Amino acid sequence: GALVYQYPRRTICKSGTSMRMECQAVGFQATSVAWYRQSPQKTFELIALSTVNSAIKYEQNFTQEKFPISHPNLSFSSMTVLNAYLEDRGLYLCGARDRGRAETLYFGSGTRLTVL
Amino acid sequence: AQSVTQPDARVTVSEGASLQLRCKYSYFGTPYLFWYVQYPRQGLQLLLKYYPGDPVVQGVNGFEAEFSKSNSSFHLRKASVHWSDWAVYFCALSNYNVLYFGSGTKLTVEP
Repeated sequence: GALVYQYPRRTICKSGTSMRMECQAVGFQATSVAWYRQSPQKTFELIALSTVNSAIKYEQNFTQEKFPISHPNLSFSSMTVLNAYLEDRGLYLCGARDRGRAETLYFGSGTRLTVL
Repeated sequence: AQSVTQPDARVTVSEGASLQLRCKYSYFGTPYLFWYVQYPRQGLQLLLKYYPGDPVVQGVNGFEAEFSKSNSSFHLRKASVHWSDWAVYFCALSNYNVLYFGSGTKLTVEP
């Protein structure tokens, strides 16, 4: 079956430092990966959509300078949170689209970021 | 632009009672719609999905949802709620490669 793994599951970083999170697709080819953030008590905000061999598209309020994303192949994507501050805490999810199954995103369990 | 609205932030039902969680959408065209569940301290799990066709779709764990184009709705239902259904439920709409989520409905199940 199609699975998405995210790691680390949880991470703590000091304010002003950076942390990197990874997303691994298993059992399918992830032609596109969408990164989301769920801040405490809120819904899932789309950060950016990354498609292999295409430019990464960031949503309003999110920038490449703050959330650089790498998507080098059809099974892996990573995102870094640069200079993390309190407002960056939350659950970061990646949703990977299967090349052969339109409109279906498979989600990982997320990386929970705590900023001290 | 597309949007998803879940008008009820919190719903409380008794175990064994029936359940309906509301979802309204705004989209130009025929939408692809989804319901996801988030259990405490976890990520998202897909409950069911609607692709154009039969308006009633069956999901996992006894959940079903009904699409209504005239009402722009995609309400989630369950005939008999179990305590393990205690979670937050998100309705989502697909636009090409991304999902746009509603604000979520927190379901509490009373004994």
